[in-house]
Formats: sequence, C-alpha cells, structure tokens
Amino acid sequence: GNSVTQMEGPVTLSEEAFLTINCTYTATGYPSLFWYVQYPGEGLQLLLKATKADDKGSNKGFEATYRKETTSFHLEKGSVQVSDSAVYFCALNTGGFKTIFGAGTRLFVKA
Amino acid sequence: DTAVSQTPKYLVTQMGNDKSIKCEQNLGHDTMYWYKQDSKKFLKIMFSYNNKELIINETVPNRFSPKSPDKAHLNLHINSLELGDSAVYFCASSLNRDELFFGEGSRLTVL
Repeated sequence: GNSVTQMEGPVTLSEEAFLTINCTYTATGYPSLFWYVQYPGEGLQLLLKATKADDKGSNKGFEATYRKETTSFHLEKGSVQVSDSAVYFCALNTGGFKTIFGAGTRLFVKA
Repeated sequence: DTAVSQTPKYLVTQMGNDKSIKCEQNLGHDTMYWYKQDSKKFLKIMFSYNNKELIINETVPNRFSPKSPDKAHLNLHINSLELGDSAVYFCASSLNRDELFFGEGSRLTVL
C-alpha cells in the first residue's frame, strides 16, 4: 500500500542553522506530494506541494524537490528561525480521497 | 472569517458518555474529512465525504457516526466513549482532492 516515512524527531537546531527533514514514500502511480506544518495548538496548514517529478515546491524559505528516482521529497531551509518551531508532516495523495501522512517531525529552534 | 471551523475546541467527559463535534467549511469545497491525531502526533484518516456521500470509512468502530447534512458541514458523533478515544480530532476539507484545509482541532479527553 501507499506510505510515507519521515525522519524521527525531535530535531533541535540553533537559529540560522540549515534544516533538512527527510521524507521518502511508497506509492502506486504518480502521487502529489505535500509538506504540512502544525504550529502548537493549531491545525495543520499546507507549507508547499509538488505534483510531478522534478517539480520544486517552495514557500516561506522552505523548499522540497519531487525526486521520482529516489522516491523522496526532502524538506530544506537555509536558515531557520525560532518561529519555525513546529511539527512538519510529509504527505502524499494518489488522486483519491485519502491523503496519507508521515508520522511527523518535531522541530525545535533555539535562539 | 475562519475557513474550516469546528466546535467545541475542548471536550472532557466520562467513559460511556456520548459526544458530538461539529464542523463547517465556508470554502465551497466538495470533500470533507475527519482525522484523528494521537498523543504522538500521528495522524490517521477516519472518514471522507464527497458531496455528502461517504467515500472512506477507515475501519472505525461503529461507535463513531459521521453525518453530512450538506456539503459545508460534517459532524461526528461518538457513542459510549472509551479511554482510547482520547485524541485531537481534526476536520478538513478539500476541492477536487487537492490540498487539505484543516480546522483547529477538537481535543477530546475521556476520563
């Protein structure tokens, strides 16, 4: 079946450090890939997405590239801020009514 | 104007009781969902409704009964609450199976 695996957290970084959160997927067909972010006490919100191979999604300084050959969609940011502290979820949808989420990676950014 | 709103935000109740959570979206979306998030932040789909029709029921116990009176509303009723039902329940909506828009969540605590 379809699934998403992302690196376990928590990830703790100092402000202005480089961030990578790894995400790999297993899916039949050609899924759309997403990163969602959940700030404390809130619901999830879309951070970025990519719908086909080699697409790069970007938003708020975050980027992720859809790599079909490695079935990956790693999230990166060049310089994190304290306000980026949150839980990040990688997700996929193969065009149906079910979006499958990874287990989430908690990020702590220290000032 | 909140796009996806759910009430109540917090519920605290005794085992064996019945409770309901309401959800409304004003985005004009055609699909609505209920997700359950456990204490480890793991997110699992429970139900999906498309144009008021049940599309996905992910082996959820019969004690959980969703109802969609119209495309903008999806309510969740839970009978005979058990300790294991304690979680945060998120309502979400989407258009044409694209990105999900989440409510802020309803935290259910069963004592």
